[in-house]
Amino acid sequence: GDSVTQMEGPVTLSEEAFLTINCTYTATGYPSLFWYVQYPGEGLQLLLKATKADDKGSNKGFEATYRKETTSFHLEKGSVQVSDSAVYFCALSDQGTGFQKLVFGTGTRLLVSP
Amino acid sequence: EPEVTQTPSHQVTQMGQEVILRCVPISNHLYFYWYRQILGQKVEFLVSFYNNEISEKSEIFDDQFSVERPDGSNFTLKIRSTKLEDSAMYFCAREGGYNEQFFGPGTRLTVL
Repeated sequence: GDSVTQMEGPVTLSEEAFLTINCTYTATGYPSLFWYVQYPGEGLQLLLKATKADDKGSNKGFEATYRKETTSFHLEKGSVQVSDSAVYFCALSDQGTGFQKLVFGTGTRLLVSP
Repeated sequence: EPEVTQTPSHQVTQMGQEVILRCVPISNHLYFYWYRQILGQKVEFLVSFYNNEISEKSEIFDDQFSVERPDGSNFTLKIRSTKLEDSAMYFCAREGGYNEQFFGPGTRLTVL
């Protein structure tokens, strides 16, 4: 079945450092790819998405590019802030008929210190 | 303002008891999902619900679980006889466009 693999956390960075969180996927079809973020005590929020190969999703300074050849969707940010501290989940959904369930990775906790 | 609200925020129950978790979408939508997240683990799909019927369910969603939309607004997840391993965060989500989903803040269920 479909699956998502993320790098283990926590990732600990200083403010203004460059961030990469790796995500690779396995899917039988041609999935849509997502990054969700979970701030402490809150639910999951959609951060960005990409629906086809070579698409780049971006939001709030975060970016991720859908790489079909490497089945990857790595999350990057050029300069992190303390407020970016959260858990980041990579996810996919198959592009079938109707609305498809999300398959999540295990999540990567990001800790940014001043 | 959240897309979806969930009540209660935290539910503590004794093993074997029934619990009902509620989800209320802000606007009218037809497609809903329940997910759970056991502490420190990944978010797992439980069930999807479309137009008042189950669309898909995972192997986690056994006979102890049920979903319904009793009044056309609230969307509920019922666990008939809770087990210790049901302790988790339960998230409700509604569909957006392009396979996006919008999540509620979750209900933390603690089974003692």
